[in-house]
Amino acid sequence: SQKIEQNSEALNIQEGKTATLTCNYTNYSPAYLQWYRQDPGRGPVFLLLIRENEKEKRKERLKVTFDTTLKQSLFHITASQPADSATYLCARTGTASKLTFGTGTRLQVTL
Amino acid sequence: NAGVTQTPKFQVLKTGQSMTLQCAQDMNHEYMSWYRQDPGMGLRLIHYSVGAGITDQGEVPNGYNVSRSTTEDFPLRLLSAAPSQTSVYFCASSADRIATGELFFGEGSRLTVL
Repeated sequence: SQKIEQNSEALNIQEGKTATLTCNYTNYSPAYLQWYRQDPGRGPVFLLLIRENEKEKRKERLKVTFDTTLKQSLFHITASQPADSATYLCARTGTASKLTFGTGTRLQVTL
Repeated sequence: NAGVTQTPKFQVLKTGQSMTLQCAQDMNHEYMSWYRQDPGMGLRLIHYSVGAGITDQGEVPNGYNVSRSTTEDFPLRLLSAAPSQTSVYFCASSADRIATGELFFGEGSRLTVL
């Protein structure tokens, strides 16, 4: 089965530093990987999508990389702020119309 | 635009009761789906639809029923609630029928089955 794995341990970093979250997948490379942000008690919100033929995608302070050799995507938040504290979910496209999510990594940015 | 609207936000059921979680979107999206989210399990796909009249099973469909009579609405029915169905349920929609694009999520429906 297609699995997607994220570090279940919370990531604690200091304000201003770069946060790096990891998403690993098994079996074949997905055509797309997506990243979402989820705040407590809320639905996930889409952040970025990266295609398998793209090595890197940027949006403001966010950067996503896709390494098909390592079967891994990295999600970076530069100059992190306390407002970035949330759970970040990685998702892969599998067979048509089925998006598989990881369990998410909670990020805590402290002053 | 309201986006994806789910009702109710909270519900408590007794074992064996049935109920329907409502989901409506006003973005004219073809693709709609239901996920459940449990601690340590992530979001798991229950059922999805790629258009009116078309539904299919996801990863955890047992105990749930769906229909899609209109583009806007995608209700999720619990036929005979069990404590294992205690969870947070999210409805999501996408303009892309094969879900390679952005998913728009509702705010969730928190269900407790006693």
